[in-house]
Amino acid sequence: SQQGEEDPQALSIQEGENATMNCSYKTSINNLQWYRQNSGRGLVHLILIRSNEREKHSGRLRVTLDTSKKSSSLLITASRAADTASYFCATDEGAQKLVFGQGTRLTINP
Amino acid sequence: EAGVAQSPRYKIIEKRQSVAFWCNPISGHATLYWYQQILGQGPKLLIQFQNNGVVDDSQLPKDRFSAERLKGVDSTLKIQPAKLEDSAVYLCASKAASIKNEQFFGPGTRLTVL
Repeated sequence: SQQGEEDPQALSIQEGENATMNCSYKTSINNLQWYRQNSGRGLVHLILIRSNEREKHSGRLRVTLDTSKKSSSLLITASRAADTASYFCATDEGAQKLVFGQGTRLTINP
Repeated sequence: EAGVAQSPRYKIIEKRQSVAFWCNPISGHATLYWYQQILGQGPKLLIQFQNNGVVDDSQLPKDRFSAERLKGVDSTLKIQPAKLEDSAVYLCASKAASIKNEQFFGPGTRLTVL
């Protein structure tokens, strides 16, 4: 079953702009993670935010978590062409198991 | 450190044929996962191993899919017989025994069933 629902499904912006992706989930979680997948490649872990955290930063990435609304957002600032990829949120349902959403396809136009 | 290795990278077969995928996780990672990713969707967990034992195979179509992790290191995933709807990328991931739940993914095997 897919827990996370990403929004939008696809996003196209100009290089240098900020990109925001949203994720909603249904059940209680221990943590929420974001992964990136370049075309034809495996997934790469970007950032993990625990259920008792509200915001986390890593370089140009900013993740927020609102457990009352069961939602999270990923902000990529000052986007670059290399950020073109699909981005997935994944919720930790316990027992070291992740459930992935459908993903947001991000395209950065030069 | 070396990443998760998978082979083959690509495989094309006809329906009703058999196919096997191989995964070598990161050294020392006790937990190994197989995911199925259909085009345009997120990865769906098929099976999770802890060392050589199965933790979760609730979404594995056991009538045609099987997986093993002998000796708790390498793993193979087999489909027999394949159906058209099995066309997907099969991803292997591994995880160390730590507090963080970060998984490390291999490049995947793209399977096309004709």
